[in-house]
Amino acid sequence: AQSVTQPDARVTVSEGASLQLRCKYSYSATPYLFWYVQYPRQGLQLLLKYYSGDPVVQGVNSFEAEFSKSNSSFHLQKASVHWSDSAVYFCALSPASSGSWQLIFGSGTQLTVMP
Amino acid sequence: EAAVTQSPRSKVAVTGGKVTLSCHQTNNHDYMYWYRQDTGHGLRLIHYSYVADSTEKGDIPDGYKASRPSQENFSLILELASLSQTAVYFCASSDFKSSAETLYFGSGTRLTVL
Repeated sequence: AQSVTQPDARVTVSEGASLQLRCKYSYSATPYLFWYVQYPRQGLQLLLKYYSGDPVVQGVNSFEAEFSKSNSSFHLQKASVHWSDSAVYFCALSPASSGSWQLIFGSGTQLTVMP
Repeated sequence: EAAVTQSPRSKVAVTGGKVTLSCHQTNNHDYMYWYRQDTGHGLRLIHYSYVADSTEKGDIPDGYKASRPSQENFSLILELASLSQTAVYFCASSDFKSSAETLYFGSGTRLTVL
């Protein structure tokens, strides 16, 4: 069965520090992978997505993620965070090879950026 | 700018009562979805639709009905609301061309069942 695990429910970093939010997936083939962000009182917005090719994908607001097939991971990174990055971040998987387009979400990571 | 609007923003309902959550999109997207978000959990798919007058069950459809009267509108109906249905509900739309389509979400409806 497909699944997405975000092992860190909460992450706190200082403004200007680097960031990594972890995401591990379980799927028999190479899936489509996504990171969505949810700001307070808003819906989810797409940060970036991976289909194939270059394992490092760039997203909005200087976020990037690296796909690793060997580790079944898709970690989100940012070199220097800003207080406005405080939000909940969701990793999601689409089981592409089955033709399904339904997204499977992880439980989310609450990011708090301290000034 | 893609737009998905949900109403109401929040609602308090009584156990056993009927609740209707509404969603309207101006994206001209074929696909619409209803997700449920529980504290500490990711989003789970309740129902979806890819054409007007047709709906499909998602992963957790029990206790929910859906209605898609037009391409723009998609409703989620709780005929007999229960305490366990207290959650935040998100509507989303997508222009399905592949299995990697971006979903556009509304701001959510916070439902409290007492």
